[in-house]
Amino acid sequence: ELKVEQNPLFLSMQEGKNYTIYCNYSTTSDRLYWYRQDPGKSLESLFVLLSNGAVKQEGRLMASLDTKARLSTLHITAAVHDLSATYFCAGDSNYQLIWGAGTKLIIKP
Amino acid sequence: DSGVTQTPKHLITATGQRVTLRCSPRSGDLSVYWYQQSLDQGLQFLIQYYNGEERAKGNILERFSAQQFPDLHSELNLSSLELGDSALYFCASSPSGQGAYHEQYFGPGTRLTVT
Repeated sequence: ELKVEQNPLFLSMQEGKNYTIYCNYSTTSDRLYWYRQDPGKSLESLFVLLSNGAVKQEGRLMASLDTKARLSTLHITAAVHDLSATYFCAGDSNYQLIWGAGTKLIIKP
Repeated sequence: DSGVTQTPKHLITATGQRVTLRCSPRSGDLSVYWYQQSLDQGLQFLIQYYNGEERAKGNILERFSAQQFPDLHSELNLSSLELGDSALYFCASSPSGQGAYHEQYFGPGTRLTVT
């Protein structure tokens, strides 16, 4: 049974700093997904990582996947306030996504 | 805009009542998923339908039920409502065809308040 763990669950950081959110999963997952959720809003797909070694970047966010280590990372470069949100990772299992608990990211000016 | 629509956006009702939430998936998507998200909580997967058939069940209470119709829209029925059922309810859809990956596209959600 696939289990997905994110850490940290809460992160408060200053603008301009770099940080990484980690997503560990327990069994094989062919794909790994990252989503963003603003408070009270819906979830928005950020990245779909399809294979080992996959790296995707969008603006100040970069996601990577290491299937051997069963680890995905979401790296934030030179954070800005607009990136404050909750970030979820999810893995594939039996036609559904198994979700991490989410990382609440607060970026202070 | 993900292409997934949900109605209503807000719903306020009393304990013991029954409500129906509606979801229309993106054009061409065969799978519909329902999630519950309570305040400051993660996503709780409730149920998945694929092309009219139930495919997977999560932490769905017996008081809750869902169905997917031939036109692929889905409804989530919540009955004997309790205060603890107050939450955001999301619908998501995905293609879920053979070989497709299962990126889910989320609707805007229905905020249910039980008083």
